[in-house]
Amino acid sequence: QLVLTQSPSASASLGASVKLTCTLSSGHSNYAIAWYQQQPEKGPRFLMRVNIDGSHTKGDGIPDRFSGSSSGAERYLTISSLQSEDEADYYCQIWGTDLWVFGGGTKLTVL
Amino acid sequence: QVQLVESGGGVVQPGRSLRLSCVASGFTFSTYAMHWVRQAPGKGLEWVAVIWYDGSSKYYADFVKGRFTISRDNSKKTVYLQMNSLRAEDTAVYYCARVYSRDGYNYADYWGQGTLVTVSS
Repeated sequence: QLVLTQSPSASASLGASVKLTCTLSSGHSNYAIAWYQQQPEKGPRFLMRVNIDGSHTKGDGIPDRFSGSSSGAERYLTISSLQSEDEADYYCQIWGTDLWVFGGGTKLTVL
Repeated sequence: QVQLVESGGGVVQPGRSLRLSCVASGFTFSTYAMHWVRQAPGKGLEWVAVIWYDGSSKYYADFVKGRFTISRDNSKKTVYLQMNSLRAEDTAVYYCARVYSRDGYNYADYWGQGTLVTVSS
């Protein structure tokens, strides 16, 4: 069963870096995933896709401060030089033959 | 630029029906699969349904099978979600999303702003 696990919350200071984690369920550690950002009262926005080897491809207009990486069954989203507008919910997503599965999301607070 | 604009949401009584629309612009609509994704108040994203670029295949989340129907009209650049037998738990913002589905990837590269459906008596 396709399941993605994310920590419910994270926090970091303005100007600092933060690394968010998305853990793939057993048997699915070789899957690529997608990361999305959802700012308050807005629709989601595609950030990037992250492959098993850690390579990533970002969406249109996504700043260089956002990067992706991988290790085993974990996929990461790193945001450096945190800005106030980075305070948002972040979701990872995986795809099956005929469905999508989202992680529960991580609420990032910028202190 | 790519734009997706949902409409059709509103307040509806349990057991009634509603049809959502999503009008696309800025890309060749007929070559993309489209998804509907929903988000209950204060909750996370939840996949609802997908329709292939030509409408030949449709898939649904278990919790909407038999109640919701996804369809599209490529001449109108529009994807629809017909929602029947609505329940209180269907209350959510419904988003349409364009699918990037090449080279083994399958994710939403563009999203609409969403339309709110409230099921309440």
